[in-house]
Amino acid sequence: AQTVTQSQPEMSVQEAETVTLSCTYDTSESDYYLFWYKQPPSRQMILVIRQEAYKQQNATENRFSVNFQKAAKSFSLKISDSQLGDAAMYFCAYNSGGSNYKLTFGKGTLLTVNP
Amino acid sequence: DTAVSQTPKYLVTQMGNDKSIKCEQNLGHDTMYWYKQDSKKFLKIMFSYNNKELIINETVPNRFSPKSPDKAHLNLHINSLELGDSAVYFCASSQVFGRGLYNEQFFGPGTRLTVL
Repeated sequence: AQTVTQSQPEMSVQEAETVTLSCTYDTSESDYYLFWYKQPPSRQMILVIRQEAYKQQNATENRFSVNFQKAAKSFSLKISDSQLGDAAMYFCAYNSGGSNYKLTFGKGTLLTVNP
Repeated sequence: DTAVSQTPKYLVTQMGNDKSIKCEQNLGHDTMYWYKQDSKKFLKIMFSYNNKELIINETVPNRFSPKSPDKAHLNLHINSLELGDSAVYFCASSQVFGRGLYNEQFFGPGTRLTVL
């Protein structure tokens, strides 16, 4: 069974600084998808960024980028120029694609942004 | 327009009662899901339906019964509520079959269930 591990229960960053959230996963499959979701206090789950495992290029969405290391099964999220609105719980998630229908989530990392 | 909506957003009830949570998506997706987020914020899949057919049932007590009247709706009925059922329940949808898709799941706002 696939597992997703987020080893940092909490992280903090100064406004305008850069922070990296870690995620590792375990799978025997070669084709899959990885996601980072953000959950602010409003509890809405918001997709931040996604990565297809067959793509070697790391995904980037504005201030958010990932470092995808397929061999190491690592998928970290870098947030540049952190803003107060980035404060939230961040979840790493795995989906094996194809006919697998579920997301497997990590336990989350609570990010605090200090002014 | 809201892509995935859930009603109600908050539900407070007594132990032993039966309650339902409704979910609707207007994205035209073929697959819908129920996830449970516990008090420690851990999210776990409960059920998945593809074109009204149950695909995933992840060791959920049979007091929980999902029902999908059509592709756009997936409701969750819970019988004989217990204290441990208190959680946030999220509905989600995605388009699983098709070319160039990556199965992004769109989430509803969640329903906070409190069992007293």
